[in-house]
Amino acid sequence: DSGVTQTPKHLITATGQRVTLRCSPRSGDLSVYWYQQSLDQGLQFLIQYYNGEERAKGNILERFSAQQFPDLHSELNLSSLELGDSALYFCASAGGSTDTQYFGPGTRLTVL
Amino acid sequence: GQQLNQSPQSMFIQEGEDVSMNCTSSSIFNTWLWYKQEPGEGPVLLIALYKAGELTSNGRLTAQFGITRKDSFLNISASIPSDVGIYFCAGFTYNAGKSTFGDGTTLTVKP
Repeated sequence: DSGVTQTPKHLITATGQRVTLRCSPRSGDLSVYWYQQSLDQGLQFLIQYYNGEERAKGNILERFSAQQFPDLHSELNLSSLELGDSALYFCASAGGSTDTQYFGPGTRLTVL
Repeated sequence: GQQLNQSPQSMFIQEGEDVSMNCTSSSIFNTWLWYKQEPGEGPVLLIALYKAGELTSNGRLTAQFGITRKDSFLNISASIPSDVGIYFCAGFTYNAGKSTFGDGTTLTVKP
């Protein structure tokens, strides 16, 4: 158990819909990262937050947005969903200066 | 930006064989990390390396931080079926302030 929690574990929705994925980092970690992993693909970095502020952006679509709240949990919002958005979405948290990231169990999103 | 070349992309080995995989880059890293991901699960941190030349073991796994700081390798000795999964390397630099992940090595172990 990495100490990072993600909900829900599975999400099935239809095209055009909007969903919210939630992540709680390990106790004390200020950084939260979001990744997308499509079938048999590597980890695609989406976005990083540090102590409530956006720190880095990767290949995140404009239809996707995220935020980190004062209690440090984070939400990833995916809107106008398309079939190609079906994937595993992971969050990871890190603390300290070495950016050692610990991953959550992921949310499997299926868009029908 | 920084890129990591992880190889091999996949490996098919017999149970009991030793495995070696590596990550290389043209950039210098301050930290190297190795993760294992099993199907449908999140990557799990196996080994973290923080100093050039560092050699660290975790059971049958051994990883080294290359002396040039541009590469790292992971060895698995006497592989077993539960070693199956995707192994990712990641490098972190203070200057960039972020980690870069390799594309992964998919390991299949035949009993």
